[in-house]
Amino acid sequence: ETGVTQSPTHLIKTRGQQVTLRCSSQSGHNTVSWYQQALGQGPQFIFQYYREEENGRGNFPPRFSGLQFPNYSSELNVNALELDDSALYLCASSLMSRLDYGYTFGSGTRLTVV
Amino acid sequence: AQSVTQLDSQVPVFEEAPVELRCNYSSSVSVYLFWYVQYPNQGLQLLLKYLSGSTLVKGINGFEAEFNKSQTSFHLRKPSVHISDTAEYFCAADTGGFKTIFGAGTRLFVKA
Repeated sequence: ETGVTQSPTHLIKTRGQQVTLRCSSQSGHNTVSWYQQALGQGPQFIFQYYREEENGRGNFPPRFSGLQFPNYSSELNVNALELDDSALYLCASSLMSRLDYGYTFGSGTRLTVV
Repeated sequence: AQSVTQLDSQVPVFEEAPVELRCNYSSSVSVYLFWYVQYPNQGLQLLLKYLSGSTLVKGINGFEAEFNKSQTSFHLRKPSVHISDTAEYFCAADTGGFKTIFGAGTRLFVKA
C-alpha cells in the first residue's frame, strides 16, 4: 500500500488568488473525496469524484472545483481565495464500498490565505 | 438532517486511567458510525466502525465503542490510556450516500 499523498504540505496565498492542491490516491482506490478542516473543527465535505465524474457535493460555492484523472489522482482548485478559505484540506481515497473499509486520508495541505 | 455531536471538546486524563469520549448522532435513516483519530500534523486514521450486527465494536490500539440505537449514541472507550493516545478524535456518520458527516472533535490529553 502506498497510502494517500498530498502536495504541497503548506501553502500561503493572497486573497483573490487561485490555488491548486494535489492528491495521489491509495493504490486500488477508485473514489476520492475532499474535505475542508477549519481550525478547531471537524472535516467538512467538499465533493467526491468517482471514475472522473463528480459524484456528490457539499455546501461549497462553485469557486471550489475538482478533477479526477484516469490514474485516480485528483486536484482541488479554489478560485478567488477568501480569508475564510484558510484551513487544512484533506484528501481521502476509498473504494465505492467505503462502508466496509472507511476512508484512507492523506496528511493534508495547510492553506493560509492572507 | 444528519448530524454528529461530540459532547466534550477536551478530555484530560491521567495515564493508565480509563476514558470515554462521547458521541451522539441524529439521523432519520439507518446510519453507519465511525471513529477516526488525528495525530498532530497528520491525516485521519480509522479506529473502528459500526455497520451492523454486534453493538460492541472493537478497534485498533485497544479502543472499543458501543452503538446504542435508543440513545442515538456511539461512545468510544479505552480501559487504560497511554501518553501516545494524546490526539484529536472524531466521530463520524454515514447513511450510505456520498459523504460522511464528522463531529467537531474531542481532544484527548493524557497526562503522566
